[in-house]
Amino acid sequence: EVRLVESGGGLVQPGRSLRLSCVASGFNFDDYVMHWVRQAPGKGLEWVSGISWHSGSVGYADSVKGRFTISRDNAKNSLYLQMNSLRAEDTAFYYCAKDFLHDSDGYSFIDSWGQGTLVTVSS
Amino acid sequence: IVMTPSPATLSVSPGETATLSCRATESISINLAWYQQKPGQAPRLLIYAASTRASGIPARFSGSGSGTEFTLTISSLQSEDFAVYYCQQYHNWPPLTFGGGTKVEIK
Repeated sequence: EVRLVESGGGLVQPGRSLRLSCVASGFNFDDYVMHWVRQAPGKGLEWVSGISWHSGSVGYADSVKGRFTISRDNAKNSLYLQMNSLRAEDTAFYYCAKDFLHDSDGYSFIDSWGQGTLVTVSS
Repeated sequence: IVMTPSPATLSVSPGETATLSCRATESISINLAWYQQKPGQAPRLLIYAASTRASGIPARFSGSGSGTEFTLTISSLQSEDFAVYYCQQYHNWPPLTFGGGTKVEIK
C-alpha cells in the first residue's frame, strides 16, 4: 500500500522560511516523479512543484518560483519543499503526491496523495 | 492551460445521475484526470486518460470527452458520492492545472 506522510507544517511569520518533508513507503520511490500540491482552506487545488525521479528536472508554479525549492533523497524515500520568503497567500494544506508515471521525466496525473500538512503564514 | 468546471455547484437527489463538465482553453487530447475530495480528506483519483477508471473505482463513475470538452457522469448517486470533484490536465506542463471544482450536494 502506498503511503505518503507529510510533516513540517505550522505557523510562521511572513518573510520567514519553512521546510516540509514527506516520507514515502509502499512503492519504489526512486522510480517516480513526485509533486507538491496545495489547497488554501476552502479553496481548490493548486500544483506547486514537481521533481523527476533523478532530480534532474524540476518545475514550479509561477506563484512560488524563486521562493520555493523542491528536492528529494531517494536513499531516504523522502521528498522536501523548502519554502522561503513566505507570504500570507501561501497559507494552505500542502499535499505530497505521487505521479502515475515511472522512469520518466514527464508529468501526468496523481495516483496517490498524502493527508497534507497545514502551513499558516501570519504575524 | 486553464480548466473551467461547470457548474460550480450541482444539487442532485440520491439515486439520480450527476453530470459534471470541464472545459480546457486549448486541446489537451485525452490527458485529463478527475478527482473526488470529501471534507477533511485528501483528493482521490477517479478517472484518468479522460475515461479510464482508476483501481477500485465503482462503475457508476464514467468519464468521456477529448480535446477541450470533458464530462464526468455519476450514475445512481450514493450518499458517499456527495463531494467536490476536480478535473486536471496533464497535456502541457509545467504547470499541472486543476479546475476550480464542482460541489455535488444533496438536493
